[in-house]
Amino acid sequence: GAVVSQHPSRVICKSGTSVKIECRSLDFQATTMFWYRQFPKQSLMLMATSNEGSKATYEQGVEKDKFLINHASLTLSTLTVTSAHPEDSSFYICSARVVRGGSTDTQYFGPGTRLTVL
Amino acid sequence: QKEVEQNSGPLSVPEGAIASLNCTYSDRGSQSFFWYRQYSGKSPELIMFIYSNGDKEDGRFTAQLNKASQYVSLLIRDSQPSDSATYLCAVPARYNFNKFYFGSGTKLNVKP
Repeated sequence: GAVVSQHPSRVICKSGTSVKIECRSLDFQATTMFWYRQFPKQSLMLMATSNEGSKATYEQGVEKDKFLINHASLTLSTLTVTSAHPEDSSFYICSARVVRGGSTDTQYFGPGTRLTVL
Repeated sequence: QKEVEQNSGPLSVPEGAIASLNCTYSDRGSQSFFWYRQYSGKSPELIMFIYSNGDKEDGRFTAQLNKASQYVSLLIRDSQPSDSATYLCAVPARYNFNKFYFGSGTKLNVKP
């Protein structure tokens, strides 16, 4: 159980284009999903928390107009990188929260999307 | 002081040995603790979580929690080369379980 998928797994795009990444919880409903970014040999960096039916909560320093998040259903969240530039090239990973009760709620990660902007 | 701290390593152990990975946390009120494994180029995968003092065993993995000293450890028995990865410790924020504080990870190398 607790399987999270992401699509696409890898994308190469030209500078200035927009890229949409999908994150799905396959066998559970996720009211909360998370979007992380990881540069090579660096730690995970939380970008935003995605809540079903409401606006996402962005971490400090993350441009909400550049990284559009939509959580339209209990199993799908999308991240759109608008007007992508080479510095946006990174490994984008989503996770979904499994509710067990309070402090034992668990995050399960999708396989990640490697974005390369030329 | 960071919320969660780990030694970046690398920690090198011979195949068959016990690997011991440590994590310290700053909030004495933290209640649950998670260990993730991340292979190079892949996303993190959950190994186990612990929320009671003492030990929790799952196969070759044992998580140890000492709340008084504010550390949590992960022991890997009979280490295999396939265990070579970066191990991340994560602690939810006390008043916001949505927010996980991740350590920077310890890189483990298991040598054949």
